[in-house]
Amino acid sequence: GAVVSQHPSRVICKSGTSVKIECRSLDFQATTMFWYRQFPKQSLMLMATSNEGSKATYEQGVEKDKFLINHASLTLSTLTVTSAHPEDSSFYICSASSGQGIAYEQYFGPGTRLTVT
Amino acid sequence: AQTVTQSQPEMSVQEAETVTLSCTYDTSESDYYLFWYKQPPSRQMILVIRQEAYKQQNATENRFSVNFQKAAKSFSLKISDSQLGDAAMYFCAYTKNTDKLIFGTGTRLQVFP
Repeated sequence: GAVVSQHPSRVICKSGTSVKIECRSLDFQATTMFWYRQFPKQSLMLMATSNEGSKATYEQGVEKDKFLINHASLTLSTLTVTSAHPEDSSFYICSASSGQGIAYEQYFGPGTRLTVT
Repeated sequence: AQTVTQSQPEMSVQEAETVTLSCTYDTSESDYYLFWYKQPPSRQMILVIRQEAYKQQNATENRFSVNFQKAAKSFSLKISDSQLGDAAMYFCAYTKNTDKLIFGTGTRLQVFP
């Protein structure tokens, strides 16, 4: 149980275009979803927290107009990187929490590797 | 602000031996949760073990156990009978109830046959 999927797993886009990454909780309802960014050989950096039906809360330094997050349902959150540039190339990971159980545990997706050319 | 520190960027262990990964954290809270996550080359984050701060007993999951020292704000992970499949990045993480996870910088564990 508690499976989170991400799509696509890899994406290459041209500079200036937008790309959307989907995060789905497959067997539970996710009241909260989190988006992380991970650079090579570094830790996960939280970008934003989203609750279903509410606006996302962005971490300091994360441009909310560039990284659009939508959490329209209890099983789906999307991250749209708008007007992507090469410096946006990174590994993006989502996680989801049901708000129940022990320590409101976060379940992680497999990640999406974004390359902007 | 809460912080999590992993002072060992890399560690290595021989297969079947025991290794301990260190983690310290800083918080003014008394009720919180600590985790160790494993990130293998696939980059899928896998929960290894969790510890509730109100529990004095150290958590154990098969070959994985923790040494939780609340007063010292220390949370080390011991891996016994290391296996080749244990090779990965290990991240220590902190959260207060439903709040966000705060990760350490990670320790890369190599396992030699």
